[in-house]
Amino acid sequence: KAGVTQTPRYLIKTRGQQVTLSCSPISGHRSVSWYQQTPGQGLQFLFEYFSETQRNKGNFPGRFSGRQFSNSRSEMNVSTLELGDSALYLCASSLRDNTDTQYFGPGTRLTVL
Amino acid sequence: AQTVTQSQPEMSVQEAETVTLSCTYDTSESDYYLFWYKQPPSRQMILVIRQEAYKQQNATENRFSVNFQKAAKSFSLKISDSQLGDAAMYFCAYSGNTPLVFGKGTRLSVIA
Repeated sequence: KAGVTQTPRYLIKTRGQQVTLSCSPISGHRSVSWYQQTPGQGLQFLFEYFSETQRNKGNFPGRFSGRQFSNSRSEMNVSTLELGDSALYLCASSLRDNTDTQYFGPGTRLTVL
Repeated sequence: AQTVTQSQPEMSVQEAETVTLSCTYDTSESDYYLFWYKQPPSRQMILVIRQEAYKQQNATENRFSVNFQKAAKSFSLKISDSQLGDAAMYFCAYSGNTPLVFGKGTRLSVIA
């Protein structure tokens, strides 16, 4: 079974721009979660989607948003990029909920100049 | 809120030796799950092992095993017969009624 895929793998943007990252979960997985990983803050939960609905949300500003499609693929969007948004963005999928193991994608490295 | 603490930012081990990585957590929940994930330099986060809190038996996965002490809220990872490919960041993570909460990680170096 194919793993979680994320596109693109690398992105370079400038301050003020917006960006969209994509995640395709493992086939059959309906929950998709997003995490931001930085050297200073470590891994921080952004949000989780299940059946096209946001089920959980982390403590991030409204510039960070996401959505999930009927095929469980998910996108996250960051508007008005700031230098501090430079990070590795990880997507993880699981079957249903927090009781299931999350499997991670390779991540998207976002650099904001 | 649940917290996960990994007190060892860096560890090193000789090839073929055994190393133990520490993790403690804080929670008021009785039903939860604990994980160890490995993140090699390639960045892909890989599941190493999973433990259900309601199970008293410690989880094992080949050379990887855990020492789960529920009362002490401790969840350490033991890597036996360490190999060069074990070199990576190791993250301890907690999942209960909330999304995954990660520790800061332990960077493991394996010395040939």
